[in-house]
Amino acid sequence: DTAVSQTPKYLVTQMGNDKSIKCEQNLGHDTMYWYKQDSKKFLKIMFSYNNKELIINETVPNRFSPKSPDKAHLNLHINSLELGDSAVYFCASSQDRSGWYEQYFGPGTRLTVT
Amino acid sequence: GENVEQHPSTLSVQEGDSAVIKCTYSDSASNYFPWYKQELGKGPQLIIDIRSNVGEKKDQRIAVTLNKTAKHFSLHITETQPEDSAVYFCAAHNFLKTSYDKVIFGPGTSLSVIP
Repeated sequence: DTAVSQTPKYLVTQMGNDKSIKCEQNLGHDTMYWYKQDSKKFLKIMFSYNNKELIINETVPNRFSPKSPDKAHLNLHINSLELGDSAVYFCASSQDRSGWYEQYFGPGTRLTVT
Repeated sequence: GENVEQHPSTLSVQEGDSAVIKCTYSDSASNYFPWYKQELGKGPQLIIDIRSNVGEKKDQRIAVTLNKTAKHFSLHITETQPEDSAVYFCAAHNFLKTSYDKVIFGPGTSLSVIP
């Protein structure tokens, strides 16, 4: 069974469009994250939710809006896509918000904006 | 805030040789240091971690050492194999700062093991 799953795996879209990425974890974890990995492989945290509550919101354009309908799901909606949004987006989860436990990453969603 | 540096950015070794990746961190209060391995096309996966009350930890061919005084920690892989080829990320976290619960990742090291 996949612990952290993301859909879609690949997303190719044009500038100005709106798109969503979905994430689900079946580990029973309280905390979920969105990371952005650029072409140089830098992993940068974007958002974190703990039991559906937003706890980390890094300096991310407000075109990015996360939503957590329940603690097993964390979705990412992006409005008015720009070329610079092209990256791999990873969802992750951990047992709780302490940072003391392993983060389990999903397989990533490669977003290409043309 | 915490800053994590990682060296080298790329590393090539012959199969069977050892590989060492070094990281430094800036926040002396950091107390948890995980290492993640990212294979091509996959998400990062934890391979080993160390907490600040321990100086060294070993798991088969991989080991991590921590020097809190110097604020650096290292990953050692012995008897490297082609399947060790991946990007490795070190990270640091201060879990006592409850208002800021995030792990800071280093920039990554791309390791290539040449058969």
